[in-house]
Amino acid sequence: DIQMTQSPSTLSASVGDRVTITCRASQSISTWLAWYQQKPGKAPTLLIYRASSLQKGVPSRFSGSGSGTEFTLTISSLQPDDFATYYCQQYSQYSWTFGQGTKMEIK
Amino acid sequence: EVQLVESGGALVQPGRSLRLSCVGSGFAFDDHAMHWVRQAPGKGLEWISGINWNDEDIDYADSVKGRFTISRDNAKNSLYLQMNGLTADDTAVYYCAKDIASAPGYIDSWGQGTLVTVSS
Repeated sequence: DIQMTQSPSTLSASVGDRVTITCRASQSISTWLAWYQQKPGKAPTLLIYRASSLQKGVPSRFSGSGSGTEFTLTISSLQPDDFATYYCQQYSQYSWTFGQGTKMEIK
Repeated sequence: EVQLVESGGALVQPGRSLRLSCVGSGFAFDDHAMHWVRQAPGKGLEWISGINWNDEDIDYADSVKGRFTISRDNAKNSLYLQMNGLTADDTAVYYCAKDIASAPGYIDSWGQGTLVTVSS
């Protein structure tokens, strides 16, 4: 199975900060990568697909980049609603795998 | 609006079986692959199974292979997960999820989840 490793596990930041989360795949997945946001007690929601395509309705402050084995999710100016946990997920091949998650905390 | 509603979660003893269901609405159910993803308490997301639109492409995570069976009934807009030989490690919220395409693509919609607790 393809292993997905996210860093950092926890990120403390302030409103207005620019933040970046990194996701690494154990082998090349081209751009078959999605990013999800999850708030406590809620189901995840899709932010980014195909590594850099913004899902409809997602604010433009979210962006994704990367290909192969290295990917990033960037939030250009952190808003109060963005404090949540973020997961990357590869869909290059079954079994699909998620990163372990990055919890965004208020500094 | 896409809606996915799971049901069937319960408290069950180790070794027993349980069947989860998910009903989809607001989209053409038989045009989309579907998935089950679970989340143990306080832990991350784990994809456990996927099925394409016509049952011809099915796969499982190693953690459930041989114990869980995914199926669907397109006439009823329903997805199922038959879980046998449950252990404490299967305790989790189980999410039904819709794929963007008829064959595996990526998940674009999730249900609210149903809780399965395995305990004596």
